[in-house]
Amino acid sequence: QKEVEQNSGPLSVPEGAIASLNCTYSDRGSQSFFWYRQYSGKSPELIMSIYSNGDKEDGRFTAQLNKASQYVSLLIRDSQPSDSATYLCAVNIFSLGKLTFGTGTRLQVTL
Amino acid sequence: DAGVIQSPRHEVTEMGQEVTLRCKPISGHDYLFWYRQTMMRGLELLIYFNNNVPIDDSGMPEDRFSAKMPNASFSTLKIQPSEPRDSAVYFCASSSNPGQGGGNQPQHFGDGTRLSIL
Repeated sequence: QKEVEQNSGPLSVPEGAIASLNCTYSDRGSQSFFWYRQYSGKSPELIMSIYSNGDKEDGRFTAQLNKASQYVSLLIRDSQPSDSATYLCAVNIFSLGKLTFGTGTRLQVTL
Repeated sequence: DAGVIQSPRHEVTEMGQEVTLRCKPISGHDYLFWYRQTMMRGLELLIYFNNNVPIDDSGMPEDRFSAKMPNASFSTLKIQPSEPRDSAVYFCASSSNPGQGGGNQPQHFGDGTRLSIL
C-alpha cells in the first residue's frame, strides 16, 4: 500500500458542478494534510491545509478530514474551467517524518 | 513577497556533463526541500535541509547526486555525471516548521528547473 493514494483520473465535471477529490493515507499518526493544485507545466501551489477532523472552508474550496477512516477530501463548489488542473494530496506521514505526496488527480471542468 | 527562486528554468545538456541547479528559499524559512517530478513517478523528495544541515537524503537516487546548503539563502543540487534518465522537473521548496520532520507546515515551491539530458 502506498503511503498516500489518489485516483489519477481524469475526473470530469461540468461547469458549475461540485468536484470531489479524495485521498487516503496509510499512517494513522499523521497530523498535517495539504492540497496543492498544479497546472500543466507549472509548480504545485498550496490551496488548502487541514489539521483537525471535520471540514475547513475557504471560498469555493472545502477540505474534509476523517482521521479514523484515514482519508482527506477536497470539494470544489461551482467548478470553473480554470479549476482544470492536477490536484496533489500531501500528508505528513508520521512514521516517515516527512511530507509525502500522492500522484495527483487530474480534474477537467467541461463547458 | 519574493517566493522560492530557482535557476535555471530550463537546462539542456549532453549525457556525462555536470549539472548544477540552484535555489534561494523564502527568507526566514529554515527548511529546504529538493524534489524531482516525472510522469512515471510523480513528485519525489530527494533531500531536505533544516538550518542548512541535511536531515534526510534517503531519496537521493545515487552517488551521482549531491546537494549542499552553504548558507540560509542558497542551496545547490548537482548531478555528475548526468544521464538521460535524470531528465525531469526539479523543484525546490521551503517552509517554516515548529514540528517534526519538515511536514507540519505547508511547503512553498519554486517554479522548477526543467532538465533534459540528451
